[in-house]
Amino acid sequence: GAGVSQSPSNKVTEKGKDVELRCDPISGHTALYWYRQRLGQGLEFLIYFQGNSAPDKSGLPSDRFSAERTGESVSTLTIQRTQQEDSAVYLCASSLVAGAVAEAFFGQGTRLTVV
Amino acid sequence: AQSVAQPEDQVNVAEGNPLTVKCTYSVSGNPYLFWYVQYPNRGLQFLLKYITGDNLVKGSYGFEAEFNKSQTSFHLKKPSALVSDSALYFCAVKYGGSQGNLIFGKGTKLSVKP
Repeated sequence: GAGVSQSPSNKVTEKGKDVELRCDPISGHTALYWYRQRLGQGLEFLIYFQGNSAPDKSGLPSDRFSAERTGESVSTLTIQRTQQEDSAVYLCASSLVAGAVAEAFFGQGTRLTVV
Repeated sequence: AQSVAQPEDQVNVAEGNPLTVKCTYSVSGNPYLFWYVQYPNRGLQFLLKYITGDNLVKGSYGFEAEFNKSQTSFHLKKPSALVSDSALYFCAVKYGGSQGNLIFGKGTKLSVKP
């Protein structure tokens, strides 16, 4: 597609349920990032995938959070046993990495509400 | 640890006046620096980047930023603010080379009044 696509755009879930968020990066972009943006807050780094390298998971807030990426395409962010503090907009971004330092392109985000 | 700081939560400017949104960074090695803007109910958009070369970088919508290595700063500027510039601005740094990670500051809300 033309841009980074995230689905669903909105998700309301009950506390304790698991949720799965999807990100389709721009075709050919080898780098993929997940961020979390709580209401009125900045961007909190979660996880970074770069090609076939081991992902940088240093930003994941707890072991309830995990993410996978299939090759250089789709990524899914999974939150298990959701808590109310997980409510936020989850943003995915991708960038082209081919020697040059390219900017990241962001999706519109998934707004997660845990009730 | 790698970090990006935006010391101001909010900047208020009158339309037509110059604006500055501050950003400082702390990374090992040469940093690659970015500014992004988030308009209300819109996604994050790239404004400009500094990789190497001239310290003054020009970007979208008339914005520019000045890289200052000695002060480890990358302040965003615009000579004449518009009401439509009101948005949330994020500074970001890529560390670890061109394939490195990208981290963001907490953001600065810019409010331009007519």
